[in-house]
Parts: sequence; C-alpha cells; structure tokens
Amino acid sequence: GENVEQHPSTLSVQEGDSAVIKCTYSDSASNYFPWYKQELGKRPQLIIDIRSNVGEKKDQRIAVTLNKTAKHFSLHITETQPEDSAVYFCALYYGQNFVFGPGTRLSVLP
Amino acid sequence: DTEVTQTPKHLVMGMTNKKSLKCEQHMGHRAMYWYKQKAKKPPELMFVYSYEKLSINESVPSRFSPECPNSSLLNLHLHALQPEDSALYLCASSRDRDRPYQPQHFGDGTRLSIL
Repeated sequence: GENVEQHPSTLSVQEGDSAVIKCTYSDSASNYFPWYKQELGKRPQLIIDIRSNVGEKKDQRIAVTLNKTAKHFSLHITETQPEDSAVYFCALYYGQNFVFGPGTRLSVLP
Repeated sequence: DTEVTQTPKHLVMGMTNKKSLKCEQHMGHRAMYWYKQKAKKPPELMFVYSYEKLSINESVPSRFSPECPNSSLLNLHLHALQPEDSALYLCASSRDRDRPYQPQHFGDGTRLSIL
C-alpha cells in the first residue's frame, strides 16, 4: 500500500515567522492531498487541500504546493500566530482510502 | 461548528461492559468511517461504510462491531474491551468514497478509557 512520510516531526517557530511542513509519497496514482490541523483534545479539521492537476493553492496565510514529479507536497504557513500551534497531518487519497502522515507538532512561540 | 456529531464525548467502561458509540451526520454523505487515534499518532482506519454497506474492516478485533442503520447514522458496539483499546475514537464522513477530491469531515470523537 501507499506510505506517507512527513517532516519534521516537531517544529518550533517564533510568532510572525513562516513554517513549512513537507510530505512525500511513493505512488503516482495518489490524486488528492488534504491537510488537517488537530488541536489538543479536538478533532482533525481540514485546513486546505489540493488536487493532483494543480501545483499550488493558497488561502490567506496558508498555502499548499504539490510537486507530482518528485512526489512531495508541502504546507506553508506565513505570519504564524500562537493559535496555529497544533499537530498537522498531511493525507492523501489512494485506492479509495485516505492515508495519513505521522504528523508534525507545530509550536508558535510568542 | 461540527457537522459530524459523536456521542458520548467521554466513556469509561470496565472490560466486561457492553457500550456503544454513536455518530450522526446530515450532510448527505454516503461514506462513513471509524478511526482509532492514540496519543501523538495519526488516525488509524478501522471500518468504512459506503452506501450503508461495510466496505472495509481493517483486521479489527471482533470485540468492536460496527453498524450502519441508515445513511446518517453509524454505531460502534463495544464488548469485552482491553486496556490497550483506550483511545480517541473518531467518526468521519465524506460525500462518496468512490470519487476523488472529496475531503473527510471528522467528529469531535469519543475519548474511551478501559479500566
């Protein structure tokens, strides 16, 4: 089956700085890539997604880029705020199922 | 606002008890999922229902028994659980499992503790 690697596993940034999380996958059949944010004790919440026929998508301070050739996609958060602190999971749609990355714990320091 | 509703939010039960977790969505989604999530780990797929039929059972022990009474409801029946089954149980739904580009929407989960 498909496997998703996610790096880094933990990330600390100063408030106002940018944060980048990268995920790599192995099967080019994967065609949909959502990102989820999970705050402590809460549900995973979809924050942005991208289809395989698009290279980049942006929603205010959040953007996702996809490199199909290299089989990786990245989450970019600009002007980070303390409320961005959470665990972020990348995921992909493969074989009618969703496969999740292991997660990145982001801490935004005031 | 949570569009997928799970009850109860917390559940403590002994190893001999029988209990049920409930999940409800009114978005017209035809795929519903049960996940188990341990601390600091991603959600782990347990079961998938597509159009009220069980599509996937990811080798889950028989002490977990899913049920989909109708297109809006999903239950997870629990019996004779073990301490290692303590976790957050998440329900999710998506519009149609057979179509790509359909995100999953998660409920708030049930935090289950087995004594």
